[in-house]
Amino acid sequence: ELKVEQNPLFLSMQEGKNYTIYCNYSTTSDRLYWYRQDPGKSLESLFVLLSNGAVKQEGRLMASLDTKARLSTLHITAAVHDLSATYFCAVVHAGGTSYGKLTFGQGTILTVHP
Amino acid sequence: DTEVTQTPKHLVMGMTNKKSLKCEQHMGHRAMYWYKQKAKKPPELMFVYSYEKLSINESVPSRFSPECPNSSLLNLHLHALQPEDSALYLCASSQQRTSGTNRETQYFGPGTRLLVL
Repeated sequence: ELKVEQNPLFLSMQEGKNYTIYCNYSTTSDRLYWYRQDPGKSLESLFVLLSNGAVKQEGRLMASLDTKARLSTLHITAAVHDLSATYFCAVVHAGGTSYGKLTFGQGTILTVHP
Repeated sequence: DTEVTQTPKHLVMGMTNKKSLKCEQHMGHRAMYWYKQKAKKPPELMFVYSYEKLSINESVPSRFSPECPNSSLLNLHLHALQPEDSALYLCASSQQRTSGTNRETQYFGPGTRLLVL
């Protein structure tokens, strides 16, 4: 069974600081997503990481994937209040009857304060 | 058009009611999904439709009945729900280049917030 674990689950950051959210998963997969969810809202796709060593950046967020370590990171640079949200990583099942199914991590609730 | 729409936005129903949730996309996506999300939890997959055929049912109780009338529409019929079914119900869609290779980015609708009394 594919398990996806994020840490930390809660992150309180000061504006201007840097931090990293970690996403570990338990079985082989070559496709990992990061989503953002604002309170009471839907999920917004941030990044899709397709191969070992993939790195993608958008604004103050940078995501990377290490398929050998089964680890993805979401790095936040010089945080601003607008980044406050819940961030989910999600991993695609690579085979079997669940082929293509997404399993989500627990989510990291990020709060950026002055 | 890169949007997934869902109606209604909010729904309150009693345990004996029958209601339906609707989802629509016009992106030409051939895979559509229903998820259930409880507060402060990640989304949990309920159903997947691939080329209008049910391909994954995550052992969802029969009081939830999905339907895919065509490639743009997805319904979730609700009957005799329980209070613990109260949640945000999210629809998503993804491009699927061939049947059986369902791994593209999923785009989520705004959700229906359901309250069962």
